[in-house]
Amino acid sequence: DTEVTQTPKHLVMGMTNKKSLKCEQHMGHRAMYWYKQKAKKPPELMFVYSYEKLSINESVPSRFSPECPNSSLLNLHLHALQPEDSALYLCASSQTMDRSSYEQYFGPGTRLTVT
Amino acid sequence: SQKIEQNSEALNIQEGKTATLTCNYTNYSPAYLQWYRQDPGRGPVFLLLIRENEKEKRKERLKVTFDTTLKQSLFHITASQPADSATYLCALDSGGSYIPTFGRGTSLIVHP
Repeated sequence: DTEVTQTPKHLVMGMTNKKSLKCEQHMGHRAMYWYKQKAKKPPELMFVYSYEKLSINESVPSRFSPECPNSSLLNLHLHALQPEDSALYLCASSQTMDRSSYEQYFGPGTRLTVT
Repeated sequence: SQKIEQNSEALNIQEGKTATLTCNYTNYSPAYLQWYRQDPGRGPVFLLLIRENEKEKRKERLKVTFDTTLKQSLFHITASQPADSATYLCALDSGGSYIPTFGRGTSLIVHP
């Protein structure tokens, strides 16, 4: 199974709402990533978890809060977002973070609209 | 500053021809370079990885070259098909971190 799943596919939320994005993989990968992608732009790294510990936070605002409950699951909790946070949110995984494996498997993404 | 450049203009070609996409970079010394395919509203799909000590890599109709002197990678799709129409992203490691940084991608449109 080489699939990364993400739920929901689409999410519309108001600026005062709290919601969560979910990501799951069953490939035994120990590195998981959150990216944000705006239209016609490259994916921008937000967070990296390595062996369930937060390894990289690319200076992301605190209204985005990641969580890695176990080695297969990755969540992104959203609170008090702004309209400019509307984007495609991508989850990815790789075997590890080190140079032994660089291939990343991406999920289909969650299209988030903040109203 | 570090920069990855991919042609922002769409590449239009006829079915059956070879598509060639370019990825140039500055101020990087990458250990590897990757190519991904991305369809609209979907996540990128890994295609090929080429390491700094490799000149060329092939997979079915795909070929990637990596010239660390020119700081350039070329991505070729031979016998292109309309189903190959998508955006193709290159990604390379940024040295200090092993996390790949993505270029903005080039849109390929293959006409029947």
